[in-house]
Amino acid sequence: DVKVTQSSRYLVKRTGEKVFLECVQDMDHENMFWYRQDPGLGLRLIYFSYDVKMKEKGDIPEGYSVSREKKERFSLILESASTNQTSMYLCASSLQGRSYEQYFGPGTRLTVT
Amino acid sequence: EDQVTQSPEALRLQEGESSSLNCSYTVSGLRGLFWYRQDPGKGPEFLFTLYSAGEEKEKERLKATLTKKESFLHITAPKPEDSATYLCAAPSGNTPLVFGKGTRLSVIA
Repeated sequence: DVKVTQSSRYLVKRTGEKVFLECVQDMDHENMFWYRQDPGLGLRLIYFSYDVKMKEKGDIPEGYSVSREKKERFSLILESASTNQTSMYLCASSLQGRSYEQYFGPGTRLTVT
Repeated sequence: EDQVTQSPEALRLQEGESSSLNCSYTVSGLRGLFWYRQDPGKGPEFLFTLYSAGEEKEKERLKATLTKKESFLHITAPKPEDSATYLCAAPSGNTPLVFGKGTRLSVIA
């Protein structure tokens, strides 16, 4: 069964902290994605990766970075967390050539205080 | 700017009351239109892919259709377990998927 796991379901951090959100998939997918989901704004793409050590900016990359050292793992980094980064963060993966058919993890609800 | 717009924002149906959700798009060079379902507290789950006008896809009580300007998700005789948020999405430029804001469907027994 296809599975995407995220390191935490809920996370509370303080303003200015460096935050790491981890995502692991066990489907041998080449593509991985990070989104944030906010009421009234919907799902928005932050970064994505089509291969190990590759990354592409999505629609809202400001304030974020990513790391993909292994095929199965894609990390989202908030270098200095701010309150406007309080959100639900969703990771997804897909097969190469099928970037539209994405499998999502359960999400991490991040609160920055 | 490419856009994917869904309506209505929320829909409340009685069990068995059929209806349709709308997704309109202004994406140049459409490379497919995709429907997802999202249950509360979970990530979206892929439902359908539509590539060309006139195409239809079905799954249980759901049928997705595509025209040149919009897509519809028809729900026939819905049950309470069909309650969820339904998202449509389309590729835009280098962005693999741009999502609409979703329609929150509630089916009341």
